[in-house]
Amino acid sequence: AQSVTQPDIHITVSEGASLELRCNYSYGATPYLFWYVQSPGQGLQLLLKYFSGDTLVQGIKGFEAEFKRSQSSFNLRKPSVHWSDAAEYFCAVIGDAGNMLTFGGGTRLMVKP
Amino acid sequence: GAGVSQSPSNKVTEKGKDVELRCDPISGHTALYWYRQSLGQGLEFLIYFQGNSAPDKSGLPSDRFSAERTGGSVSTLTIQRTQQEDSAVYLCASSSSGRAWFFGPGTRLTVL
Repeated sequence: AQSVTQPDIHITVSEGASLELRCNYSYGATPYLFWYVQSPGQGLQLLLKYFSGDTLVQGIKGFEAEFKRSQSSFNLRKPSVHWSDAAEYFCAVIGDAGNMLTFGGGTRLMVKP
Repeated sequence: GAGVSQSPSNKVTEKGKDVELRCDPISGHTALYWYRQSLGQGLEFLIYFQGNSAPDKSGLPSDRFSAERTGGSVSTLTIQRTQQEDSAVYLCASSSSGRAWFFGPGTRLTVL
């Protein structure tokens, strides 16, 4: 069965600094991968997704992610973090049946002024 | 509506009571999912509806949990004889293509 691991439960960065959130997946076939963001009291918003093609995916709010098959990773990056980026971030993969999202445990991002 | 809606947004109930949570998916979306997000936990899959097919109930944690989807649209998640460990945010999502999921704002359930 598929699984997703986000090794960092909490990350704190200074405003303006770069950000990388880690995501590792376990899945036999070519995965479909997603990053979602959840602000306090809000639902999940899709940041970006990877299905095939170019392994560097651009998303909303200046985020990007790179699919690395050799490392089973799909890390999320942003060159310069804004205070409004403080939120919880979830990596997800479509399951074996191709019909269900399996989520990682999430990484809570805090931004220092 | 433009997005997935859920009601109520908050629900406080006493242990042992039954609760019903409602999800209105995006019009035309054939797939509907329920997830649970407990404090400090990730998102746990509960149940999945696809068109008129039998739902995938593999994620339901106990027989106190059930869900139905009427007319291929609105879904209701029912929790009977609620327990304190049922306290969580219940999220609903819908999808048309299987490649984009749209989530509702969730229902925060508190069992006293």
